[in-house]
Formats: sequence, C-alpha cells, structure tokens
Amino acid sequence: GAVVSQHPSWVICKSGTSVKIECRSLDFQATTMFWYRQFPKQSLMLMATSNEGSKATYEQGVEKDKFLINHASLTLSTLTVTSAHPEDSSFYICSARGPGGQAGELFFGEGSRLTVL
Amino acid sequence: DAKTTQPPSMDCAEGRAANLPCNHSTISGNEYVYWYRQIHSQGPQYIIHGLKNNETNEMASLIITEDRKSSTLILPHATLRDTAVYYCIVRKRGSNYKLTFGKGTLLTVNP
Repeated sequence: GAVVSQHPSWVICKSGTSVKIECRSLDFQATTMFWYRQFPKQSLMLMATSNEGSKATYEQGVEKDKFLINHASLTLSTLTVTSAHPEDSSFYICSARGPGGQAGELFFGEGSRLTVL
Repeated sequence: DAKTTQPPSMDCAEGRAANLPCNHSTISGNEYVYWYRQIHSQGPQYIIHGLKNNETNEMASLIITEDRKSSTLILPHATLRDTAVYYCIVRKRGSNYKLTFGKGTLLTVNP
C-alpha cells in the first residue's frame, strides 16, 4: 500500500519549548492529511484535518494556536506543538488518503512519540 | 458514522484462524465496514473493507452478515506478529475520509 512517513519517531523536549513533527506521503500526493493523538492505553483521537494550501480544520476541543498545522505541499504536512507541557506527551500519528485506486483507504505513518519533561 | 461494538480482548493460538466479531446494528446503506489494526507503538495499518459482499485479500477475509448489522474479520492462520489491537470502523466512503476509532479488540496470538 501507499507509504506515509513521519519524522521524528520519538522526541524528548523541555517544558515550554516547541516541537515540529513532519508527515510525508512517499511517491504520492496527498491533498488531505489527518493528525491523531493517542494517550497510553487509549484509542486514537482525531485532532485536525490538514488541507494543502488552506487552513487546517480542528476538532472540537483542540487548540489551534497550540497545535499549528502547515500543509504547504502535496507531500508534506507538519504539526508543531507550541510551548509544550508534560500533558502534551503523547503518540502523534498522521494519515493520508491513498492514491488512485487506493483513494478509499487511509494510510498511516509510524507515529511520533513526544515526551515533554 | 454508525457506532461499532467489539469485544475488548481475544486470544488465539498460533496457526489457528482468528475470528474477530464486530456489531454495527445502526449501519446505513451507504456505510462501509473498515478494519484496521495497530501493533504496539506503531501507526494503524489498513486491513480490508467491504460494503455488503464478503471480501478477501492477502491479509484477511471480511464476512458481512446479510442484514449488514455485524461482521467478522478472519485471519486464516494467525501468527505471533498478528498480535495487535483491531479496529472495526463504519463510515461513508466519500469526500470525508475521517476515521473515528473506538477501543477495538486486543488480539493476543499465543505460541
């Protein structure tokens, strides 16, 4: 299937700093990407929909000024956690709609584990 | 999107078939049944989807009841690497590609 790659796989940062996570669609273009967050032993929760060339759409309860999303190209979306705090520690996962005949499926990245000290 | 109900956990012996059930009694006519799985500390992996006919691919088979109110994902010969949380998701297939994840079923394949 289509491949979606995230970077970094894990990151540790100090409280108050900002962290950027990249999500790339490899060998296909993704006009829409989705960002999820998953706390330990919980299911994935959709945070926002990232649209290429326009503003992201955030789910209710997700602070758009804290979780900045940029989808500047058809193969790259970035999530920046600004002024991170320990409660932002989580597993962040992106997904993209598949290309062509796989357009009905969503493909997920490997996830990025953020630990805020 | 319709809600789904799955058992929280199941066990299966290695080499045997794993049958994972899912109830979706409020499914509407234009909603598909999707299955994803998530191996520990990885992103979800697409497995299979279907509308009303049974489907099979290299990973699994999907059996949907005639009334479409429930389905079963079948892994024909489970291996230890199939240990994961399996999510059954019902959604319309169209411009809105959001997936809403429930709690899924933790399948543990035992040696």
